[in-house]
Amino acid sequence: DVKVTQSSRYLVKRTGEKVFLECVQDMDHENMFWYRQDPGLGLRLIYFSYDVKMKEKGDIPEGYSVSREKKERFSLILESASTNQTSMYLCASSLPVVGRGSYNEQFFGPGTRLTVL
Amino acid sequence: AQSVAQPEDQVNVAEGNPLTVKCTYSVSGNPYLFWYVQYPNRGLQFLLKYITGDNLVKGSYGFEAEFNKSQTSFHLKKPSALVSDSALYFCAVRDRSGSNYQLIWGAGTKLIIKP
Repeated sequence: DVKVTQSSRYLVKRTGEKVFLECVQDMDHENMFWYRQDPGLGLRLIYFSYDVKMKEKGDIPEGYSVSREKKERFSLILESASTNQTSMYLCASSLPVVGRGSYNEQFFGPGTRLTVL
Repeated sequence: AQSVAQPEDQVNVAEGNPLTVKCTYSVSGNPYLFWYVQYPNRGLQFLLKYITGDNLVKGSYGFEAEFNKSQTSFHLKKPSALVSDSALYFCAVRDRSGSNYQLIWGAGTKLIIKP
């Protein structure tokens, strides 16, 4: 069974702290994604990565950075957490757009609900 | 601009009745279309997709969706709703014309099935 795991289900941090959210997938997928989910706004893409050490900005990258040192692991970093980053964070992975023909179907982790006080 | 619209924030259906969750899109080129479901306190799960071919697509848990190119719609349907279908449903589209890895997501529709 395919699996995407996230390091924490719930996290509470203070304003100004550096926050690390970890995501691991066991499907050997090339693509990995970080989204935030807020009520009424759907999913908004923060960053994605299509290969190790490769990353591209999504729609809302400000205040975030990412790291992908190994194929199976994609980390989201909040350099200095702020209250407006309180949200549900979802990690996903998928096969590449071309080559293995998955048509970008994404597999999601359970999410991390982050509260910044 | 590319977009996906789910015009209803919430849909209420009695158990056993048919259900429809609406989705319309605006993208350049021919789209790939997806439906995902999120059960309470869980991540998103893939339900079904339209890539090409038959406009009626069948997916998991008895759901199906109909692609209508002229109306740019991809409504999710089920003939007989179950209480366990209560969840948050998201429509998404990928623009096939470019090399973009991204999906464009709707805001989500909360489906409530009442016993």
